[in-house]
Amino acid sequence: DSGVTQTPKHLITATGQRVTLRCSPRSGDLSVYWYQQSLDQGLQFLIQYYNGEERAKGNILERFSAQQFPDLHSELNLSSLELGDSALYFCASSVGARNTGELFFGEGSRLTVL
Amino acid sequence: AQSVTQLDSQVPVFEEAPVELRCNYSSSVSVYLFWYVQYPNQGLQLLLKYLSGSTLVKGINGFEAEFNKSQTSFHLRKPSVHISDTAEYFCAVSFSGNTGKLIFGQGTTLQVKP
Repeated sequence: DSGVTQTPKHLITATGQRVTLRCSPRSGDLSVYWYQQSLDQGLQFLIQYYNGEERAKGNILERFSAQQFPDLHSELNLSSLELGDSALYFCASSVGARNTGELFFGEGSRLTVL
Repeated sequence: AQSVTQLDSQVPVFEEAPVELRCNYSSSVSVYLFWYVQYPNQGLQLLLKYLSGSTLVKGINGFEAEFNKSQTSFHLRKPSVHISDTAEYFCAVSFSGNTGKLIFGQGTTLQVKP
């Protein structure tokens, strides 16, 4: 158990819909990262938040947005969903803003868009 | 551009045989290097990391890796594999800067056969 909690574990929805994925980091970790894992793209970095502020941005679509709340949990919002958004979405956390140690990963949220 | 390449998508090997999973990176700045393992239906777990110092690093489950700066490689090795080592292995790089994001390779599936 990494200490990172993601909900829901599985989600099935239709094209055009909007979903929210939630992540609670390990106790004491201030950074939260979101990754998308798909068969064709592999593990793609989406975005990092550190103590409530956006720290780094990767290949995140404009239809996607994220935020980190004062209690440090984070939400990833995916809107106008397309079939190609079907993937496993991972949240990870770390103590600091810069990774000189380890990212702790949750078990992921599997999104299926029909 | 900064990138990570895992040269083998699948590596089949018999139990108790040695294995090497290859990883090369491209970067113009200093890097930190990691190997993560993903068991089926689970999140990623850190195997080992290189931050500085000795270029040979030892990790969990008997794995080790060697950082070769001149060849920009960070290959993962284990002298004798077990059935339980069957999993997806990811090489990852963190570049110096003010972010902790990791860039992952495409992954290598290690298939240990009895």
